[in-house]
Amino acid sequence: DQQVKQNSPSLSVQEGRISILNCDYTNSMFDYFLWYKKYPAEGPTFLISISSIKDKNEDGRFTVFLNKSAKHLSLHIVPSQPGDSAVYFCAGYSGAGSYQLTFGKGTKLSVIP
Amino acid sequence: NAGVTQTPKFQVLKTGQSMTLQCAQDMNHNSMYWYRQDPGMGLRLIYYSASEGTTDKGEVPNGYNVSRLNKREFSLRLESAAPSQTSVYFCASSEVHSVYQPQHFGDGTRLSIL
Repeated sequence: DQQVKQNSPSLSVQEGRISILNCDYTNSMFDYFLWYKKYPAEGPTFLISISSIKDKNEDGRFTVFLNKSAKHLSLHIVPSQPGDSAVYFCAGYSGAGSYQLTFGKGTKLSVIP
Repeated sequence: NAGVTQTPKFQVLKTGQSMTLQCAQDMNHNSMYWYRQDPGMGLRLIYYSASEGTTDKGEVPNGYNVSRLNKREFSLRLESAAPSQTSVYFCASSEVHSVYQPQHFGDGTRLSIL
């Protein structure tokens, strides 16, 4: 049972345009979400997070939006740059005592110069 | 600043062999984690250590053991390797075991079991 779903395995965007990466979750206990970015042959690196008490969090070119009623979150990258080409993982915390991250399968973003 | 260091980076084992994956962090973090990532899948938690002296099972602990050797080091042992354990293994650490503390990952160990 996949609790965090990233239904688009890949996404291609032109440099300078907006990239929108989507994530859906099924576990209503999730109360904190994170996005990680991963380059080939490297470990994931933390990008941005959002608490369930918010519907938006911004950090420079990266904005995460959370729609709790739809159990959906999205990561917006504006403007997209070639260096943003990576795999992006959405992850959720259930907060049910164990504080374990549940990751989605990832979306591979390619930013075309 | 090394962050989280994993050794080895690559390893090939035969079924039934044993192996220990090493992880060390130099950020003075209290909590450490072991994940595995299978092709086309997200990371899944194997074991974690919220603080020195404690370890707990994650989502997929079967076939693994861990040791929190000291605050810096957290090792993962496969006692009798099976082909289903072929994966990329990531170690991570965080300042404390909290939802608000992002985890910092090493570059992974690519393990193949024949």
